[in-house]
Amino acid sequence: TQLLEQSPQFLSIQEGENLTVYCNSSSVFSSLQWYRQEPGEGPVLLVTVVTGGEVKKLKRLTFQFGDARKDSSLHITAAQPGDTGLYLCAGDARGGSNYKLTFGKGTLLTVNP
Amino acid sequence: SQTIHQWPATLVQPVGSPLSLECTVEGTSNPNLYWYRQAAGRGLQLLFYSVGIGQISSEVPQNLSASRPQDRQFILSSKKLLLSDSGFYLCAWMAGGGWTQYFGPGTRLLVL
Repeated sequence: TQLLEQSPQFLSIQEGENLTVYCNSSSVFSSLQWYRQEPGEGPVLLVTVVTGGEVKKLKRLTFQFGDARKDSSLHITAAQPGDTGLYLCAGDARGGSNYKLTFGKGTLLTVNP
Repeated sequence: SQTIHQWPATLVQPVGSPLSLECTVEGTSNPNLYWYRQAAGRGLQLLFYSVGIGQISSEVPQNLSASRPQDRQFILSSKKLLLSDSGFYLCAWMAGGGWTQYFGPGTRLLVL
């Protein structure tokens, strides 16, 4: 059974600060997705990374997939209150079931103005 | 483009009453479909998934069931709701052979 551990579980910072969220596993994933979810809404896909060592940037968000495809990080520069939400990582392990993703438990980020 | 719909958005039901939540997807054919439940501010628990009409896989034993009567329709049901069935229910779709799931807006269920 593949597991994805996200850290930290909770993060409260001031507007303008930088932060990094981690997603780690002992399993290899073919791809990994990051989602952001706001209260009362469904998760929205931010990015998919598929190549070991890959780095993708989405405005102030930088996503990295580990070289061994077992871990990923999300870095936010100069956080804004609009970044507040639950950040979820999800991995596609293949090899086993082709139909399911493994989800982390999420990082709840609060950015205070 | 593809869109996914869920209804109702919010539901308050008494204990012991039946449940039917519906999810439909537009703009794609033969998607994989998923039902998740989410506790407040936390991760997703996969309840059911389906890779085709009439094909349902259950992830955890529970008071719920799922059906897929049409290619792009996924229904979550219960004959008698329990207090513990309260939560936020999310439907998602993924293209066959794909690796990214796309979520609906969710249904907030409160069982009293």
